[in-house]
Parts: sequence; structure tokens; C-alpha cells
Amino acid sequence: DQQVKQNSPSLSVQEGRISILNCDYTNSMFDYFLWYKKYPAEGPTFLISISSIKDKNEDGRFTVFLNKSAKHLSLHIVPSQPGDSAVYFCAASDGGTSYGKLTFGQGTILTVHP
Amino acid sequence: SQTIHQWPATLVQPVGSPLSLECTVEGTSNPNLYWYRQAAGRGLQLLFYSVGIGQISSEVPQNLSASRPQDRQFILSSKKLLLSDSGFYLCAWSLSGIRSPLHFGNGTRLTVT
Repeated sequence: DQQVKQNSPSLSVQEGRISILNCDYTNSMFDYFLWYKKYPAEGPTFLISISSIKDKNEDGRFTVFLNKSAKHLSLHIVPSQPGDSAVYFCAASDGGTSYGKLTFGQGTILTVHP
Repeated sequence: SQTIHQWPATLVQPVGSPLSLECTVEGTSNPNLYWYRQAAGRGLQLLFYSVGIGQISSEVPQNLSASRPQDRQFILSSKKLLLSDSGFYLCAWSLSGIRSPLHFGNGTRLTVT
């Protein structure tokens, strides 16, 4: 049972435009959400997180939006740059544990064209 | 600052051979440690996590085991590898006691032939 889903395997965007990556979850106990970026042959790098007490969190060009009623989160990258081309994973954890037991989505390959 | 080291970067092993992957963390004490695996075309799956020396929790029953002989050392092992053990193995750490992101090593690409 896939509790975190990224339904778009890939996304192609022009440089300078907005990239929107989507993620849906089914477990209502999830209350902490993260986005990671991964280049080939490297480990994922943490980008941004959001707690369920918020609906938006910004860090530079990256903004994460959380819609708890829809069990949906999204990552906006504005403006997109060619260096943003990578695989993006969303992840979630529930409040029942203080350990970093994250449940990951399958990932979305973002390609930003010059 | 904290750093995580994971080795080897790539490994090709025959079926039935043993496995030992090692991970060490520097710059922090008593971290939570994790082993994840990414199979081809799939997300990251948590295999093991540890909140302290000698304390290992397994998330998925399988052919692998983990050990934490020292505070900042985490080892993934197998006595006999299966073809299905092929994948990209990632070690990660996080601060203990608080909600914090995981920080990953660069991974080991394991191919079982």
C-alpha cells in the first residue's frame, strides 16, 4: 500500500518558469512533510519541510504548500534553473514517533530546459 | 558540521556471497541512524533504524541485518546475497529526540550477479 504517491513520473519545464511538483498521501496520521532532491549516483539532499500546523513554507526559490483536507502537498520552484534538473521525492512521517522514519513517494524527474 | 561517509560507492557481488556496507557519521553525537534502499524505478524504502548502540529495529523482513557497534557507525550485512538484494543502499542520520530531516550519504550501488 503506497501511502505517499507522486503520480507524475516526470515533468519538463522551461528555464525561468515555475515548476510545480505534486504529492498525495493517504495516512491521516502524517504530520511532517519533506521534499528531497536527488542527482544520479548521489544520496537525496533535503530541500524544505513543513509541519501540519502550517499550510505554506518558503525558502528562497522553493515553496511547499500543504492542503491537509485534500491530503496533498506541492513544491513550487520559481524561477526554475537548469541546475534544478533532478529527481524530487516527497516524504512524510507521523506524529507517533520521534524517529525519522520517513515514507517516501516514488519520485518525479524534473528536467529544466535552457 | 556534520558529515556522513558511506562505502563502497559501487559493489558487484555473486549470489550467495556475504555483504558488509559501512556508514559513519562525524560531527554529532547519539544520532538516529537509518538504512534505506531504492530499487530501480521506485521510492526509498526504510530497512533498518537505530536510536542507540546495539539498538536496531527492522522495518522489512528480509535477507539483510544491521548492527551499530559504535555510536556513529552503522553496518548493513548479509550472510548470503540474493539477486533481489540488488539496489541502491543509502545510509542516513538525523538528530535524536526532535523532529528533524534525514541527511543521506552518497549511497552504495549493489549489483548481485
